[in-house]
Amino acid sequence: GEDVEQSLFLSVREGDSSVINCTYTDSSSTYLYWYKQEPGAGLQLLTYIFSNMDMKQDQRLTVLLNKKDKHLSLRIADTQTGDSAIYFCAESTGGFKTIFGAGTRLFVKA
Amino acid sequence: DTAVSQTPKYLVTQMGNDKSIKCEQNLGHDTMYWYKQDSKKFLKIMFSYNNKELIINETVPNRFSPKSPDKAHLNLHINSLELGDSAVYFCASSQGNSGRDEQFFGPGTRLTVL
Repeated sequence: GEDVEQSLFLSVREGDSSVINCTYTDSSSTYLYWYKQEPGAGLQLLTYIFSNMDMKQDQRLTVLLNKKDKHLSLRIADTQTGDSAIYFCAESTGGFKTIFGAGTRLFVKA
Repeated sequence: DTAVSQTPKYLVTQMGNDKSIKCEQNLGHDTMYWYKQDSKKFLKIMFSYNNKELIINETVPNRFSPKSPDKAHLNLHINSLELGDSAVYFCASSQGNSGRDEQFFGPGTRLTVL
């Protein structure tokens, strides 16, 4: 069945890089996403990657996809206190249904 | 200016009551969703509507009944509320169903059942 797994917590110091990892099970996943949820708010799309790509870079964000291992990662360079949030990995096979991971809580220490 | 709005933001009620949560999007999207986020932040899809038609109905008790009067609105009615219904409910919308479409989330409705 479809499943998306993430580690639940990550703590980094301000200025360091953060790497959040995710694994998924559905090999037919076409789109993979990273969403960010700040306290008391809904989810907001950060970035996405198509399954035929290996890497995508967007300013401080770098997404790496290893399709063979079904592994997705999000690297945030120069992490700031404002990056503290929950980061959700999600996958879609192109239909209406998007499967979300449990979310990784990123704590940034000043 | 709010893209996806939900009312109310907070809802506290007694077990056994019936309540509704409303959702509206002004983005002109065709697809709308309801998600439930529990206390551990697990996010599970409940329903999806495309052009007012029910597309996804996950394993949700039939006490939950969505209603889409038009493409811009997707309301959620819950009968006979139970303690386990306490959660944050998020409405979302997307342009289509291609999967690459970004989902826009509302701010959430925190439901507490006493």
